[in-house]
Amino acid sequence: DTGVSQNPRHKITKRGQNVTFRCDPISEHNRLYWYRQTLGQGPEFLTYFQNEAQLEKSRLLSDRFSAERPKGSFSTLEIQRTEQGDSAMYLCASSSDRKGYTFGSGTRLTVV
Amino acid sequence: KQEVTQIPAALSVPEGENLVLNCSFTDSAIYNLQWFRQDPGKGLTSLLLIQSSQREQTSGRLNASLDKSSGRSTLYIAASQPGDSATYLCAVSRNQFYFGTGTSLTVIP
Repeated sequence: DTGVSQNPRHKITKRGQNVTFRCDPISEHNRLYWYRQTLGQGPEFLTYFQNEAQLEKSRLLSDRFSAERPKGSFSTLEIQRTEQGDSAMYLCASSSDRKGYTFGSGTRLTVV
Repeated sequence: KQEVTQIPAALSVPEGENLVLNCSFTDSAIYNLQWFRQDPGKGLTSLLLIQSSQREQTSGRLNASLDKSSGRSTLYIAASQPGDSATYLCAVSRNQFYFGTGTSLTVIP
């Protein structure tokens, strides 16, 4: 297992466009998390899945954001009508039964 | 809501020094506390995980302690090296992790 994989590593998009990120967790992990991190800040929770069920969403996750985890495997995070304030590092993590997190390398989004 | 504070925000030390990073949290009802390292522009690398029933964990030159009742954790780095330069993040969890803003460490050769 190569750990948590995120794609793409970098994404530059024009304001108003839609973007989608993918996260492939560690295969035996049943929990998957999305976080957002801006410069100089710690990661902020966006949402998490246990298997295919989305159990919690942060208020940071506006209606332009949607996350899915079909079949409890990989997950996608889509941002519609991107804004400059969406520019950040988007981090995915997975875990098993409330044990430690393993993070991916993140997707850096720049909205121009 | 859980709040996590890390002190100091930045630290610069000469190579070879021992150092302590501090983390405090407001809600002691946690499952785990985890220390991470983050290099600029990169993801998070797990350093140490302390489960709520544990008091400390050690890995190489790193030692982390947890005092749930007082809402504090420390990360001790022995014999610091320039390669230790990074941002160190503390996170506490129940269903999700809450992160501090990190301590930016610079070890000067």
